[in-house]
Amino acid sequence: GAVVSQHPSWVICKSGTSVKIECRSLDFQATTMFWYRQFPKQSLMLMATSNEGSKATYEQGVEKDKFLINHASLTLSTLTVTSAHPEDSSFYICSARPRLAGASYEQYFGPGTRLTVT
Amino acid sequence: AQKVTQAQTEISVVEKEDVTLDCVYETRDTTYYLFWYKQPPSGELVFLIRRNSFDEQNEISGRYSWNFQKSTSSFNFTITASQVVDSAVYFCALSEAARGSTLGRLYFGRGTQLTVWP
Repeated sequence: GAVVSQHPSWVICKSGTSVKIECRSLDFQATTMFWYRQFPKQSLMLMATSNEGSKATYEQGVEKDKFLINHASLTLSTLTVTSAHPEDSSFYICSARPRLAGASYEQYFGPGTRLTVT
Repeated sequence: AQKVTQAQTEISVVEKEDVTLDCVYETRDTTYYLFWYKQPPSGELVFLIRRNSFDEQNEISGRYSWNFQKSTSSFNFTITASQVVDSAVYFCALSEAARGSTLGRLYFGRGTQLTVWP
């Protein structure tokens, strides 16, 4: 149980285009999903926290108009990178926190999406 | 200031050696969770352990063991009799009792690249 999927697993796009990444909790409901970005040989940095039915909370320095997050249901959150540029090339990882996690702080990670912007 | 510090960027050992990965954290909360994740070359994060701030008992799971010491704010990870398959990047992470919409967010350390040579 507790599986999180991401689609696509990798994507190559041209500069200026938009890319949508999906994060799904397959066997549980997730009230909260987190989006992280990881550059090569670096740590994971939180980009935004997505709560179902409300606007995402973005970390300082993350452009909310460039990284659009939609958490439309308890099992799906999407991250859209708008007008992508080569510097947006990175590994994007989502995690999902179960609705019934309570105070355990448990969360489950997706396998990640590798984005390359040419 | 970094909330999680992993001072060791890279460690190389020969198979069957024991290796300890250090993790020092910083928080003002009395309730928090500490985590260790393994990230193999595929990129997918593998959950290893979660420990809450009220449980200082050391834990052993097979060749893995964790030493949690609140007095030094450390949560170190030891692999006994290392194997080539242990080669990966290991991340230590902290989750605080955050309020509001980012409950459960993780602060990651920079990671330690462990290479185990045959």
